[in-house]
Amino acid sequence: KNQVEQSPQSLIILEGKNCTLQCNYTVSPFSNLRWYKQDTGRGPVSLTIMTFSENTKSNGRYTATLDADTKQSSLHITASQLSDSASYICVVALTGTASKLTFGTGTRLQVTL
Amino acid sequence: GAVVSQHPSWVICKSGTSVKIECRSLDFQATTMFWYRQFPKQSLMLMATSNEGSKATYEQGVEKDKFLINHASLTLSTLTVTSAHPEDSSFYICSARPGTGGGFTEAFFGQGTRLTVV
Repeated sequence: KNQVEQSPQSLIILEGKNCTLQCNYTVSPFSNLRWYKQDTGRGPVSLTIMTFSENTKSNGRYTATLDADTKQSSLHITASQLSDSASYICVVALTGTASKLTFGTGTRLQVTL
Repeated sequence: GAVVSQHPSWVICKSGTSVKIECRSLDFQATTMFWYRQFPKQSLMLMATSNEGSKATYEQGVEKDKFLINHASLTLSTLTVTSAHPEDSSFYICSARPGTGGGFTEAFFGQGTRLTVV
């Protein structure tokens, strides 16, 4: 069964600190892996997309890594800001059918003062 | 990035009535749009794939007669929840892919519609 598991489920950090979110997947055949940020009551917004051959990709303070051999990905957030408080969702797409996205349950991040 | 607009952002309706949700791609054409439902603290679940000019493809367990999808143009898809009941209360999100071909392309999400059935 194709699954995407994320950890931790929730996380609270102080403003300015760094954090790393984890994603493990069993989706096969793999096409690409995406990280999305979803604010409460809003639709997901894309942060990064990585294909099989990419190991890392950055978008400002967000850096995603991918290990296709171990089927693991991480999202590192540097110098967190209050506006980073949101759910971060790992999404894996199947090869050959870009419409089939498997969503993780997300990590709820709260950045506090 | 490309913009996908959903309307309304939230709606409250009485049990037994129907509600229509619109999804528009504002600055690109999308042959394919997707409708998702998200319950609190859960993943987005794909309900159906909306194809312009043809019938939608529904995921297993989704009632096509209850969730009517119309994709009449390359920039607009609508989801109508018919005879809504409280258990249909959820967050509905659409997404659209630019272009008309298959393969790997980015999908852009709307802001979502919070439906509450009372």
